[in-house]
Amino acid sequence: AQSVTQPDIHITVSEGASLELRCNYSYGATPYLFWYVQSPGQGLQLLLKYFSGDTLVQGIKGFEAEFKRSQSSFNLRKPSVHWSDAAEYFCAQNPNYAGNNRKLIWGLGTSLAVNP
Amino acid sequence: DTGVSQDPRHKITKRGQNVTFRCDPISEHNRLYWYRQTLGQGPEFLTYFQNEAQLEKSRLLSDRFSAERPKGSFSTLEIQRTEQGDSAMYLCASSLEQGAPHQPQHFGDGTRLSIL
Repeated sequence: AQSVTQPDIHITVSEGASLELRCNYSYGATPYLFWYVQSPGQGLQLLLKYFSGDTLVQGIKGFEAEFKRSQSSFNLRKPSVHWSDAAEYFCAQNPNYAGNNRKLIWGLGTSLAVNP
Repeated sequence: DTGVSQDPRHKITKRGQNVTFRCDPISEHNRLYWYRQTLGQGPEFLTYFQNEAQLEKSRLLSDRFSAERPKGSFSTLEIQRTEQGDSAMYLCASSLEQGAPHQPQHFGDGTRLSIL
């Protein structure tokens, strides 16, 4: 079965430190990959997406992600974390097979806490 | 672009009552999705519309749940005879059909349902 794995349930970093959130996908044909962020009580905001081309994609709020087909990974990074980045981060994949109706497969999320 | 709008933001009701939520998608988006999200989990697919046609319903969606999108614009999700287990955040998302599966889904802020 198709799956998206976010190995880290919870991560704590200090403000100003670098951040990497891991994501592994299992459906390998042509991955359409997304990272979303969710602040408490809010909906999900798209940070960035990948579907082809340059494997390093830039997103909003200073985030970037690197697609590595050999590792089936799409890790999210930020060079310097701000306190306002504390939130839940979700990785998602559109496996794009016939009949899927573009339903996204979601990871369980990584909760990010930022220490001052 | 006014984004996806959901109403109400919060709903508290007694067990056994009926509730209805509304979603207004981004105006040019012809795809509309409903998800349910419980604490600490990723979004869980409920149902999907393309224009006014409801093309898929999750097996998780019992017959107490019904969704409509009568004119291909806004959508409603009704839950009849609510149960404790229905307490969750209900998220609506919309996307464009054109442009293949790399079109991201854009989410509203959700409706938080609490069953007393």
